[in-house]
Amino acid sequence: GAGVSQTPSNKVTEKGKYVELRCDPISGHTALYWYRQSLGQGPEFLIYFQGTGAADDSGLPNDRFFAVRPEGSVSTLKIQRTERGDSAVYLCASSPSQMDVFGNEQFFGPGTRLTVL
Amino acid sequence: DAKTTQPPSMDCAEGRAANLPCNHSTISGNEYVYWYRQIHSQGPQYIIHGLKNNETNEMASLIITEDRKSSTLILPHATLRDTAVYYCIAGTSGTYKYIFGTGTRLKVLA
Repeated sequence: GAGVSQTPSNKVTEKGKYVELRCDPISGHTALYWYRQSLGQGPEFLIYFQGTGAADDSGLPNDRFFAVRPEGSVSTLKIQRTERGDSAVYLCASSPSQMDVFGNEQFFGPGTRLTVL
Repeated sequence: DAKTTQPPSMDCAEGRAANLPCNHSTISGNEYVYWYRQIHSQGPQYIIHGLKNNETNEMASLIITEDRKSSTLILPHATLRDTAVYYCIAGTSGTYKYIFGTGTRLKVLA
């Protein structure tokens, strides 16, 4: 079946611009996660959704970052006034449910590589 | 969630077993050990997880010490396609905020 998809695969933007990154999770997965990965580092947690609501957004670095999941499926990560330090690969993952399956694995998409010039 | 420590890099000859260690000395009784790997330019891929007992699946085996302070991921017959960064993560069954660390970069040599 189809895995997690992310669009675009690459995004180049200029400092100060607004960007949106999209994630299509595996159908039926209620939990969705965003991570950010800088060069040479492991992925870093940003935000977790259970259904439509953000259950934990403690990893968002500042208020320029925002994410939504209005219908409990597709999610969009929004970055305002981009800075060069926002350049990274943004990864999305989904899982059937965070709460009711022990040892629940996360299924990751290929990521969106964001470059801020 | 417990912190994990892994060697930064390892080499393994093709066809041989690759044994990747992970220390998690502060792991608590209800925390699982998860292993993921990330092949270049792809998202992380789940490999295996365990709590106390050793586990095996089609990809790998996971050996957890009796005191649970460390574990070893074993790829029984490494191939060139197993070249990747391998991450060991500790967390409870309800963990959603994986802490990846920098992992072990495994290079399988022809």
